[in-house]
Amino acid sequence: AQSVSQHNHHVILSEAASLELGCNYSYGGTVNLFWYVQYPGQHLQLLLKYFSGDPLVKGIKGFEAEFIKSKFSFNLRKPSVQWSDTAEYFCAVKVNTDKLIFGTGTRLQVFP
Amino acid sequence: DGGITQSPKYLFRKEGQNVTLSCEQNLNHDAMYWYRQDPGQGLRLIYYSQIVNDFQKGDIAEGYSVSREKKESFPLTVTSAQKNPTAFYLCASSIEGAVSSYNEQFFGPGTRLTVL
Repeated sequence: AQSVSQHNHHVILSEAASLELGCNYSYGGTVNLFWYVQYPGQHLQLLLKYFSGDPLVKGIKGFEAEFIKSKFSFNLRKPSVQWSDTAEYFCAVKVNTDKLIFGTGTRLQVFP
Repeated sequence: DGGITQSPKYLFRKEGQNVTLSCEQNLNHDAMYWYRQDPGQGLRLIYYSQIVNDFQKGDIAEGYSVSREKKESFPLTVTSAQKNPTAFYLCASSIEGAVSSYNEQFFGPGTRLTVL
């Protein structure tokens, strides 16, 4: 069965630190990849997505992610985090069907 | 404003009672979904519907039921058969279901159900 792994369960950073959240999936075929973010008390919202083309995808609020097919990875990055980035981040994969498979999430806490 | 509404935001029920969670969307989306979110487990798919009057079981459908009589509505019933119903429930929708892979899902604000 397809699965998505997010190995960082809880990340704590100071403002201006760089961020990289890992996401690996298990599926050998064509995939569509997503990162969603859930800010405290808010809806889950799309941060960025990859369907095809340039494997480096830029999203909202300065986030980017790189699709590395050989590593089955889609890691999320941001060069300099802000306190307002405190949230839970979910990686998700869509394979063939309309179903999204979510990872377990990474809770990011950014301290001023 | 276009979007997805879920009501109520918080819901308390006694053990053994069925409870129905509401999900309405005015985005004219064909597909709708129900997820359950538990700490440390991410989102798990309960049921989804690609079109009116049709729905499919997700990964954790046992103890749940749905209906899709109208395009804009996809209510979820948590039955007494669900062994651990206390959770945060999220509804989502997308333009199309299986026809296209290019559609992102849009999420509602969620309903936190607590069974006492």
